[in-house]
Amino acid sequence: AQSVAQPEDQVNVAEGNPLTVKCTYSVSGNPYLFWYVQYPNRGLQFLLKYITGDNLVKGSYGFEAEFNKSQTSFHLKKPSALVSDSALYFCAVRDNSGYSTLTFGKGTMLLVSP
Amino acid sequence: DGGITQSPKYLFRKEGQNVTLSCEQNLNHDAMYWYRQDPGQGLRLIYYSQIVNDFQKGDIAEGYSVSREKKESFPLTVTSAQKNPTAFYLCASSRGMGETQYFGPGTRLLVL
Repeated sequence: AQSVAQPEDQVNVAEGNPLTVKCTYSVSGNPYLFWYVQYPNRGLQFLLKYITGDNLVKGSYGFEAEFNKSQTSFHLKKPSALVSDSALYFCAVRDNSGYSTLTFGKGTMLLVSP
Repeated sequence: DGGITQSPKYLFRKEGQNVTLSCEQNLNHDAMYWYRQDPGQGLRLIYYSQIVNDFQKGDIAEGYSVSREKKESFPLTVTSAQKNPTAFYLCASSRGMGETQYFGPGTRLLVL
């Protein structure tokens, strides 16, 4: 069975500082990895995904994520946080079969202070 | 304007009542999904459909039913058998099974 762990319920960072939201996964075979963001009472918005290729993936709004196969991690990063980045972030994984569904982590709340 | 719409935004259910949540997409996506979101639990898959007239149970299908009679539509019925229906329900679609999912704005279901 596949699984995702987001070890931090909440991450606090000051505006302008770099941010990291952690994600580790477990899956059979090669993973497909995703990050989504959710603002209050809204649906999820797709940020970025890793399927194959370069371990550093760039996505929307200046976010990027680094795939590390040996550590089974896919941490989300941004060089300089904005107050408007404050939201709930979800990591998700599936295996590389054509019929697999996504498994989501429990989410990490990011709070960026002015 | 392409996207996924869900209605209503808020829905109230009385004891013993079935209620239906609407999900429509005009993205020409084959696959559609229903998730339930509870605080601190992330998203859990209720049902999914890879193609019209076909659907599969997800991880927490008990107390729910779906239909997929049209490509654009994937309504979810919360039946009276679902004893704890209060949650935020999210619909998603993807071009094909396993591809990037795009989400609707959600429906919050509350029990009176």
